[in-house]
Amino acid sequence: GNSVTQMEGPVTLSEEAFLTINCTYTATGYPSLFWYVQYPGEGLQLLLKATKADDKGSNKGFEATYRKETTSFHLEKGSVQVSDSAVYFCALSKDFGNEKLTFGTGTRLTIIP
Amino acid sequence: ETGVTQSPTHLIKTRGQQVTLRCSSQSGHNTVSWYQQALGQGPQFIFQYYREEENGRGNFPPRFSGLQFPNYSSELNVNALELDDSALYLCASSLDFGGTDTQYFGPGTRLTVL
Repeated sequence: GNSVTQMEGPVTLSEEAFLTINCTYTATGYPSLFWYVQYPGEGLQLLLKATKADDKGSNKGFEATYRKETTSFHLEKGSVQVSDSAVYFCALSKDFGNEKLTFGTGTRLTIIP
Repeated sequence: ETGVTQSPTHLIKTRGQQVTLRCSSQSGHNTVSWYQQALGQGPQFIFQYYREEENGRGNFPPRFSGLQFPNYSSELNVNALELDDSALYLCASSLDFGGTDTQYFGPGTRLTVL
């Protein structure tokens, strides 16, 4: 079946540091890939998505590229801020974005001023 | 445009009881999915409804059941509650099953089973 493996957390960085959170997946066919963010006490918010190989999703300075050859969708940001502190989830859906989402276990990110 | 809302925010039940959680979809969305998020884990898919019909189910027992109403609001019912049912329950709405739309999540209902 489909699965998502995320970098173990927690991750603690200083403000303005470079961020990478690794995500790899196992799926048949051509899944859509997502990064969701969960701020303390809130539900999930879509951060970015990519629906086909070599697509790059980007939002709020975050980027991730759909790499089919390495089955990866790593999240990156060049300069993190304290407000980026949250839990980040990598997810996939088999075909389309509104089908069942399979999530990774999440990576807690804390940014220190 | 109104986002996805859920009620109640928090709920405490005892083992063996039954619970109903409610979700109001984003305006115009006809598909709703429910997820269970245990503490420190990623959300797990429970089931999805499309135009009032169940359209896929995850690995959850039959005591987890749902409904979607003509206005596309939805309920999640859990019978015979167990301690392991303690979790954050999230609903997500989207437009048209099979399209490329993404799912929009509500803030969740935190269920505690004692």
